[in-house]
Amino acid sequence: QVQLQESGPGLVKPSETLSLTCSVSDDSISSYYWSWIRQSPGKGLEWIAYIYATGTTNYNPSLRSRVTISMDTSKKQFSLKLRSVSAGDTAVYYCARMEGAPAGYSWFDPWGQGIQVIVSS
Amino acid sequence: DIQMTQSPSSLSASVGDRVTITCRASQGIGTYVNWYQQKPGRAPNLLIFAGSSLRSGVPIRFSGFGSGTDFNLTISSVEPEDFATYYCQQSHSTVLFTFGQGTKLEMK
Repeated sequence: QVQLQESGPGLVKPSETLSLTCSVSDDSISSYYWSWIRQSPGKGLEWIAYIYATGTTNYNPSLRSRVTISMDTSKKQFSLKLRSVSAGDTAVYYCARMEGAPAGYSWFDPWGQGIQVIVSS
Repeated sequence: DIQMTQSPSSLSASVGDRVTITCRASQGIGTYVNWYQQKPGRAPNLLIFAGSSLRSGVPIRFSGFGSGTDFNLTISSVEPEDFATYYCQQSHSTVLFTFGQGTKLEMK
């Protein structure tokens, strides 16, 4: 079973950029879509973005202007950058593998354990 | 955006009870619904995909049903380890995947 592990700073200052990386335990990174999802008490579970090894990406329209997702297949990692953060971006951030394909049935399985990110000065 | 509305928001049950959680989509989405279980401090885990398909390793007491706008997750006989929060998620919109707000299953 593939395992995912998020890493990055747990504290980010307002207006700065949140940067997270997800490490994938096997070579499946080139064969699936991969997503970032966040969870906060106020907004619940919120899908952020996905990426495929070909470079295909898709973003939540409400976050599109501030988000970039990228992938480094040689390192078996994909990353998230969220610019100009505010307190509303405080959440647990999860990475997840997408089974299926966006144009058909798809679902998130498995998920990383999550990383708490707090936006505060 | 496709909104997913779960009911109830919380539910009390005893071990052995049959429980059903409902999820309603704001527009028809076929069977593009997935269900997840989340325990405190843990990531969500997939239970059901494509409306009614049971993920490998998930106990058969879990089942999913529905199409169009109305979907159910049923636990036929609640076990102690099932007390958790459950979420539905739609994958019909490839522009924006959305989740329900969650249903917390608590011990009566």
